[in-house]
Amino acid sequence: EPEVTQTPSHQVTQMGQEVILRCVPISNHLYFYWYRQILGQKVEFLVSFYNNEISEKSEIFDDQFSVERPDGSNFTLKIRSTKLEDSAMYFCASSVPFNNEQFFGPGTRLTVL
Amino acid sequence: AQSVTQLDSHVSVSEGTPVLLRCNYSSSYSPSLFWYVQHPNKGLQLLLKYTSAATLVKGINGFEAEFKKSETSFHLTKPSAHMSDAAEYFCVVMDSSYKLIFGSGTRLLVRP
Repeated sequence: EPEVTQTPSHQVTQMGQEVILRCVPISNHLYFYWYRQILGQKVEFLVSFYNNEISEKSEIFDDQFSVERPDGSNFTLKIRSTKLEDSAMYFCASSVPFNNEQFFGPGTRLTVL
Repeated sequence: AQSVTQLDSHVSVSEGTPVLLRCNYSSSYSPSLFWYVQHPNKGLQLLLKYTSAATLVKGINGFEAEFKKSETSFHLTKPSAHMSDAAEYFCVVMDSSYKLIFGSGTRLLVRP
């Protein structure tokens, strides 16, 4: 069964460093999403992406964040200069157009020291 | 704006007894509602979804949920809990721009 994959599973970084979180969505999906879950808090929407551009972004998704689909398979989330409060589990999801089921990856746990 | 409220942060049941996880939603139109499950150190797995078809929705692993418009509820049930059901459960509503809005989660504990 096709699935969304994410790498790395765990990333530890120093405050102020750049990180790139990678996702491989399901191959025939065209809508892509990033969500995050700070420990003990709700899962929050960050951004949605379709047709090589951002469809919607939350207020969390400030200028430090960017997303890219550099090739036909990967979907990345970059945090330019990490802060302590960026420590969270980041989930990638994808969906088929006109089908409202989003498939989630296993997540990347980001720890900012 | 759409939102969901999960009424219990923790639910504890004995193995073999029924499970009830409560969720109320708020939506200005007929919502798309979901239940996702997250096992420890795992990703989010879809249990079931409601998209304005049958009000009783059957999902995986014996779970089901009933959409009740009059009560704005979408409670998750299972007739008989199994140890492997211990996990965090999220009630989720989809908004008009197709992003998911999550509830705060209910941690299900299953006692042997």
